[in-house]
Amino acid sequence: GAGVSQSPSNKVTEKGKDVELRCDPISGHTALYWYRQSLGQGLEFLIYFQGNSAPDKSGLPSDRFSAERTGGSVSTLKIQRTQQEDSAVYLCASSFPGEDNEQFFGPGTRLTVL
Amino acid sequence: QKEVEQNSGPLSVPEGAIASLNCTYSDRGSQSFFWYRQYSGKSPELIMSIYSNGDKEDGRFTAQLNKASQYVSLLIRDSQPSDSATYLCAVKKGGYQKVTFGTGTKLQVIP
Repeated sequence: GAGVSQSPSNKVTEKGKDVELRCDPISGHTALYWYRQSLGQGLEFLIYFQGNSAPDKSGLPSDRFSAERTGGSVSTLKIQRTQQEDSAVYLCASSFPGEDNEQFFGPGTRLTVL
Repeated sequence: QKEVEQNSGPLSVPEGAIASLNCTYSDRGSQSFFWYRQYSGKSPELIMSIYSNGDKEDGRFTAQLNKASQYVSLLIRDSQPSDSATYLCAVKKGGYQKVTFGTGTKLQVIP
């Protein structure tokens, strides 16, 4: 595909349930980022993957959040025992590696926890 | 102090005027600077990137960087109603891949 894709586009879940969000980066982009954007807020960095290196998990807000990237391509963000404060738009971005390479964002997944 | 600070706005300018958007950052190790535009309900899209002091122009957009003052700005000339959006400033520290975003400035261009 031409751009970053994410699924689902919308997810409504009940408090306490687990959810999985998927990101397909642009082909050839080895760097992949997950961000969270709450209503009216900026982007909050969650996690960064680069090739086979250990991910930078410094932005994950709690141990309920985890992410993996299989085969250096598709990534899945998992949220266990969801809470209402987890409601936000989760954005994935990818880029070529390197200092100055620009990120391209997917359309996001809007998560609503009831 | 926030790592990247922006005035949330809204900044209202008349059509055809120059819109000036400002951003300050706290980490002197920052080396890469980006401006993203985000329309309501959409994902951010890159407008400009700047890496060295001075001005960088691209069409109606000019990014300005002053590392001594830890300040980066975006000027939009001949503002159009279609420029109405939230503009996010983003900063990357040298040697790191993490990008820190500001909370954005909402721009309204009045016809």
